[in-house]
Amino acid sequence: DAGVIQSPRHEVTEMGQEVTLRCKPISGHDYLFWYRQTMMRGLELLIYFNNNVPIDDSGMPEDRFSAKMPNASFSTLKIQPSEPRDSAVYFCASSLKDTQHFGDGTRLSIL
Amino acid sequence: DAKTTQPPSMDCAEGRAANLPCNHSTISGNEYVYWYRQIHSQGPQYIIHGLKNNETNEMASLIITEDRKSSTLILPHATLRDTAVYYCTRLNRDDKIIFGKGTRLHILP
Repeated sequence: DAGVIQSPRHEVTEMGQEVTLRCKPISGHDYLFWYRQTMMRGLELLIYFNNNVPIDDSGMPEDRFSAKMPNASFSTLKIQPSEPRDSAVYFCASSLKDTQHFGDGTRLSIL
Repeated sequence: DAKTTQPPSMDCAEGRAANLPCNHSTISGNEYVYWYRQIHSQGPQYIIHGLKNNETNEMASLIITEDRKSSTLILPHATLRDTAVYYCTRLNRDDKIIFGKGTRLHILP
């Protein structure tokens, strides 16, 4: 039974470049969440979707961040342009009703 | 604002029960208490949740006080693999979980 799948696992890029993180939720789950984790700020909720519709994006730090969910099996988190302070581990999670299942995250480093 | 309070770290001897406390004094009547843990370099993992009754599953037990202002997660026989950060959270009516800083549990051999 496949869990939440995130890609890439690691990404290193230079500031100013566009970064796209990908997530495949567990089949049948109707909620999808994007989190960011840093040592300073801990685990922060960025945005979440219900039935592919964004419900709350109040955690998205600024306009450089955008997220889409074109269908029930795929979501992207895009940063354009990227900055060094965006370096973090980004987690995707999905749920059916209430218990969230997390992927293994994407470790992003912006040089 | 996680609206839960946990000690930043705890130690527990291997084989003993680990009791992790959480204060959620402002919890409302329809909010569930959820516990997750995060092992180093992995995503958080669901452990258990409850509303007002005590709960038990294959991983842990959850004891919620009668006034629901606090709870305790119990790992009955801690092993080295239980070393992790444990998060006590609340699921609010907006379906959002706000994670606090959690408790870093060290299992000592």
